[in-house]
Amino acid sequence: AQSVTQLGSHVSVSEGALVLLRCNYSSSVPPYLFWYVQYPNQGLQLLLKYTSAATLVKGINGFEAEFKKSETSFHLTKPSAHMSDAAEYFCAVNSDTGRRALTFGSGTRLQVQP
Amino acid sequence: DAGVIQSPRHEVTEMGQEVTLRCKPISGHNSLFWYRQTMMRGLELLIYFNNNVPIDDSGMPEDRFSAKMPNASFSTLKIQPSEPRDSAVYFCASSLPSANTEAFFGQGTRLTVV
Repeated sequence: AQSVTQLGSHVSVSEGALVLLRCNYSSSVPPYLFWYVQYPNQGLQLLLKYTSAATLVKGINGFEAEFKKSETSFHLTKPSAHMSDAAEYFCAVNSDTGRRALTFGSGTRLQVQP
Repeated sequence: DAGVIQSPRHEVTEMGQEVTLRCKPISGHNSLFWYRQTMMRGLELLIYFNNNVPIDDSGMPEDRFSAKMPNASFSTLKIQPSEPRDSAVYFCASSLPSANTEAFFGQGTRLTVV
């Protein structure tokens, strides 16, 4: 079985500050990991994905994430928050065995204060 | 490509009525997913299809829910009879069949059952 846990349902940062959104995964086989962003009244949009190539993955809008197998983590970071980053962020996992559909975490709502 | 297209965007219906949600996946995508999003339960996979065949419907809440994919370019999710607890945002997503590829989401259908 595969699952992800996102620590912190709400995160608030000041504009220009570091953004760190946490994701830990559980998978019995090598996982594929994804971060999605959801703006109000919108669908989910892919930010970045890890598919067993480079462990540091760069995505859109200045976001990046690092796959750490020893910590079973895939945390999302951005060096400097912008007001437009305010949204909900979802971590998701998939694998080559079992159910081949994304399993999502519970989401983290990011607020950016001026 | 226009992306994944869902209709309607909003649906308000009375308890007991039949509701049909529609989805057109991205051309060339072999996998199609229906997710439900609520505040309480987050994003839940209801069912997914590969090459128009339902592969995993273990997430379908009960017999009131049914999904079909009569061809590669169209899918429906039907609720009959609808209940207030079915109120949620329903997302359709499509992808290539590999587990390391991302799913592309539609804008969602916001269903309100009164």
